[in-house]
Parts: sequence; structure tokens; C-alpha cells
Amino acid sequence: QKEVEQNSGPLSVPEGAIASLNCTYSDRGSQSFFWYRQYSGKSPELIMSIYSNGDKEDGRFTAQLNKASQYVSLLIRDSQPSDSATYLCAVNNSGYSTLTFGKGTMLLVSP
Amino acid sequence: KAGVTQTPRYLIKTRGQQVTLSCSPISGHRSVSWYQQTPGQGLQFLFEYFSETQRNKGNFPGRFSGRQFSNSRSEMNVSTLELGDSALYLCASSPFLAGVGLTGEQFFGPGTRLTVL
Repeated sequence: QKEVEQNSGPLSVPEGAIASLNCTYSDRGSQSFFWYRQYSGKSPELIMSIYSNGDKEDGRFTAQLNKASQYVSLLIRDSQPSDSATYLCAVNNSGYSTLTFGKGTMLLVSP
Repeated sequence: KAGVTQTPRYLIKTRGQQVTLSCSPISGHRSVSWYQQTPGQGLQFLFEYFSETQRNKGNFPGRFSGRQFSNSRSEMNVSTLELGDSALYLCASSPFLAGVGLTGEQFFGPGTRLTVL
């Protein structure tokens, strides 16, 4: 059973701080990794994709991938109250284009 | 580009009934995947269609079925509804890039909230 594990949280950070979200996965053959943001009552929104080891930055977001450790993380710099949401880690299933999702980490950013 | 659309947005059914949900992918996307989201289980993969063919299927009973049409629009059907089928049903489409294939990036529609009484 392919698994994606995330701490359910909530992760509470003050406005302006760095939020660090982590994810581990079990399928060593996975090649594509994604972070989605889901506001309460809304559908998931793709915010970051990462395919190779290292860091990928996009605005205030940085995704980090370490395939040897089977670990993906998302850093949010200068966190804003509008970043308060559930963040879902998704990993492709090796050989397929389907995704396995973690159950998500709830992030709360306090003003 | 218009996003993924799903209809209807809300449905209330009773046990034993059947339901059909519809999804229109982003223009040009040929892959459509369906997910069930519940508070306890999170997002669970139902099935994936590409060019009218079911490529993958998740671990759901045969009461859950789907299809894809030549215009890439997709429908899923749930027969003999059970209380446990109450969930948010999400459709996602993926682009197919020449020379790359399916990128794995999935873009979600707003979902259909199904309540089974």
C-alpha cells in the first residue's frame, strides 16, 4: 500500500514567520511531488510541483525534495493569515500518472 | 482558460438510489481523475481516464463506475447509494505534453457535495 504521511497539525505560526510543512512517502519509484492548498469548503489548489532533488522556489514558497530520505517539505516565508488552510502533499504512483495524497496538515497563521 | 467544471455542485439522495456526476476538464486536457474526499479518509483515488479509456482504478466497490467521452468530458456513477458514500467528489484534469506525456499535475474542479440520507 503506497502511503503518504503528514502531520495533521494544526501547525500554528505568527504572521511573518516561516511555516515548515513536512511529508514522507513510501513508494521509492515516485518521480513527481506536489503541494496543494485547500481552504475550508473549497477544492485543492496546486501551489508547487517538484521533480528533482533539491529546492524549488516560487515567490514565498519553497519546496524541498530528498528522494534518498523519501521526504518532501514546503516552506512558506513571511506567512500571512490568508495562508491559513490545509496543505496536502501528493506523490505520483510509480509507473502511473495517478496521485496518492496525504491527509493534510492544517496551518493556522495568527495576526 | 476556464477551469474544471463539475455539475451538480450539491446533491441529496437517499439510500439505494443512484447518482451521476459530471466533469468537464480544462480545454485541451485529456486525462480526468476522480477522487472521494471525506474528513476521516482524506482524498482517495477512484479512477483515471485518458482518451476514453480507464487507465487506473482505486480500491472502491463496483458500485462506483465512470466513463469518458470523446470530448474528454467524464461522468461517474454510484449505484445503490450507502450512507458512507456521503462525501465531496472531486474531478481533476491533467495536461498531456508532447514529448513529455502526462505531467502528473492535476487541477481540481470545485467538487460535488453528495449527501446520502
